[in-house]
Amino acid sequence: AQSVSQHNHHVILSEAASLELGCNYSYGGTVNLFWYVQYPGQHLQLLLKYFSGDPLVKGIKGFEAEFIKSKFSFNLRKPSVQWSDTAEYFCAVIVFSGNTPLVFGKGTRLSVIA
Amino acid sequence: IAGITQAPTSQILAAGRRMTLRCTQDMRHNAMYWYRQDLGLGLRLIHYSNTAGTTGKGEVPDGYSVSRANTDDFPLTLASAVPSQTSVYFCASSDSQGTQYFGPGTRLLVL
Repeated sequence: AQSVSQHNHHVILSEAASLELGCNYSYGGTVNLFWYVQYPGQHLQLLLKYFSGDPLVKGIKGFEAEFIKSKFSFNLRKPSVQWSDTAEYFCAVIVFSGNTPLVFGKGTRLSVIA
Repeated sequence: IAGITQAPTSQILAAGRRMTLRCTQDMRHNAMYWYRQDLGLGLRLIHYSNTAGTTGKGEVPDGYSVSRANTDDFPLTLASAVPSQTSVYFCASSDSQGTQYFGPGTRLLVL
């Protein structure tokens, strides 16, 4: 079965620090990749997505992610985090081999301290 | 455009009671999903529906049932609630490329 691994459960950063959250998936075929963000007390919102083309994808709020096919990775980055980036971040993959639901990682909680 | 609506927003339920969580979307998406979110366990898929009239089991389907009579509605029923079903429940729908859109969630406490 396909799986998505997020290596960090909880990351604590100071404001202005750089962020990189790891995401690896276990399927070798064609995939679409997503990062979702969940702010405290809210529902999941789409941060960015990769379907094809330039493997460096830019999303909202200064986030970007790089798809490295050879490493089965889709890491999320932000050069300088803000306190308002405190949230939980979920990586997700959809595999195009029939009607399959999105597979989510278990999430990484980011705490940004002033 | 509302996107996805869920009702109720929150509920306290006695164990053994039957409960239906409602979900409605106005985006005409074929696929819809129910997840539960628990601390440390992330999102776990309960049931899904690829199109009206069809449903499938996810990772944690036991104790839950769904129906998909039309495109817009995807209710989740707990036939006899148990305390382990205390959770936050999210409904979602997806477009043809797999991008999922989530509802605001229902917070359920089973006592």
